[in-house]
Amino acid sequence: AQTVTQSQPEMSVQEAETVTLSCTYDTSENNYYLFWYKQPPSRQMILVIRQEAYKQQNATENRFSVNFQKAAKSFSLKISDSQLGDTAMYFCAFPPNSGGSNYKLTFGKGTLLTVNP
Amino acid sequence: DAGITQSPRHKVTETGTPVTLRCHQTENHRYMYWYRQDPGHGLRLIHYSYGVKDTDKGEVSDGYSVSRSKTEDFLLTLESATSSQTSVYFCAISGGRLNYGYTFGSGTRLTVV
Repeated sequence: AQTVTQSQPEMSVQEAETVTLSCTYDTSENNYYLFWYKQPPSRQMILVIRQEAYKQQNATENRFSVNFQKAAKSFSLKISDSQLGDTAMYFCAFPPNSGGSNYKLTFGKGTLLTVNP
Repeated sequence: DAGITQSPRHKVTETGTPVTLRCHQTENHRYMYWYRQDPGHGLRLIHYSYGVKDTDKGEVSDGYSVSRSKTEDFLLTLESATSSQTSVYFCAISGGRLNYGYTFGSGTRLTVV
């Protein structure tokens, strides 16, 4: 069953503007991590940012930040001052079962972000 | 990427032939994973391993087998390749608990003709 939903298959933004990518998920767990990965045309998967669910403070990494709404099970990624190099596929991911030995991630279907000059 | 390598990077094979993809890590991580990436489907888990000779199926395991005889190597085998297995295959590693997510290999683009 799909437990991670990215509702925007494609988005575009002008250079220097701000864009937000959405992600919702489903879990009954209380303590877990959430991740955003970036896949540029090189195909390499790069970890952009991670959020600990028990922390209320939203994670920030330079121009990347998240809006984490635990009750709503929402985990959106905000990219500020977009740059051409941000053009990539972005995947939201989280472990649907954080207990036991089920240490594996489920990924959303991805959002293709294009930054236009 | 540093610490994890996949081989080959590209491969074209014929329908019905066996194919083995290799993932090698130097991080001594316990967990290793094989995913396939297809347009409109994101990344889907094929098989994963939680130790030497300990493996389990993912959501799209039909037609695939894996082996892990050493901590550092995780092999994915397509016993008889089909066109539906044309995809990009990613290997990933994790130390467990997923605090820092995965580290991914650079992927293998497999084309079955």
